[in-house]
Amino acid sequence: GAGVSQSPRYKVAKRGQDVALRCDPISGHVSLFWYQQALGQGPEFLTYFQNEAQLDKSGLPSDRFFAERPEGSVSTLKIQRTQQEDSAVYLCASSKDSLNEKLFFGSGTQLSVL
Amino acid sequence: SQQGEEDPQALSIQEGENATMNCSYKTSINNLQWYRQNSGRGLVHLILIRSNEREKHSGRLRVTLDTSKKSSSLLITASRAADTASYFCATDDIQGAQKLVFGQGTRLTINP
Repeated sequence: GAGVSQSPRYKVAKRGQDVALRCDPISGHVSLFWYQQALGQGPEFLTYFQNEAQLDKSGLPSDRFFAERPEGSVSTLKIQRTQQEDSAVYLCASSKDSLNEKLFFGSGTQLSVL
Repeated sequence: SQQGEEDPQALSIQEGENATMNCSYKTSINNLQWYRQNSGRGLVHLILIRSNEREKHSGRLRVTLDTSKKSSSLLITASRAADTASYFCATDDIQGAQKLVFGQGTRLTINP
């Protein structure tokens, strides 16, 4: 596809369950971002990749959150032992170069932890 | 943590009127970007203004930047119902951190 694709679109998890969220960026895009967006709030930065290198993970809220982009394209955000406060929309964005002057966003994965 | 703060948090106007949203930020920046988000969707890039620019136009959008006050404004002229969305500013960090930090957003409602 031409845009950033995220799957699943919706995910319901029981507290304590592990989840994996997938992001397919635009082909050839160098930069990839993950953001967490709570209802009515702005996106909060989680982590940033330049190709396969994770250059910034300062926004990951705890060691239960892990992200990878092993081949510099598809990325996975994994959340272990989910908790209710993890409920949010997780947005992925990509940019064609490291200048990051224009981000293309996916529609997000809405995670609900019960 | 959020870098930018948008003002107002919510704005409701009649179709055809102009809408102005403001953004303040904390650190020195290379550029500032504005994005739009329709309900339940991802963000869409609208416009970028560099730190050495004071004003920029794109169609019905006008953006200003005042680096001395660390603030920016987004003006949408002749608003349409389709402009109903949330609007966010995003800033980088002149220190070199490549992450983009978003504000809390302004929820704009255009009434027909």
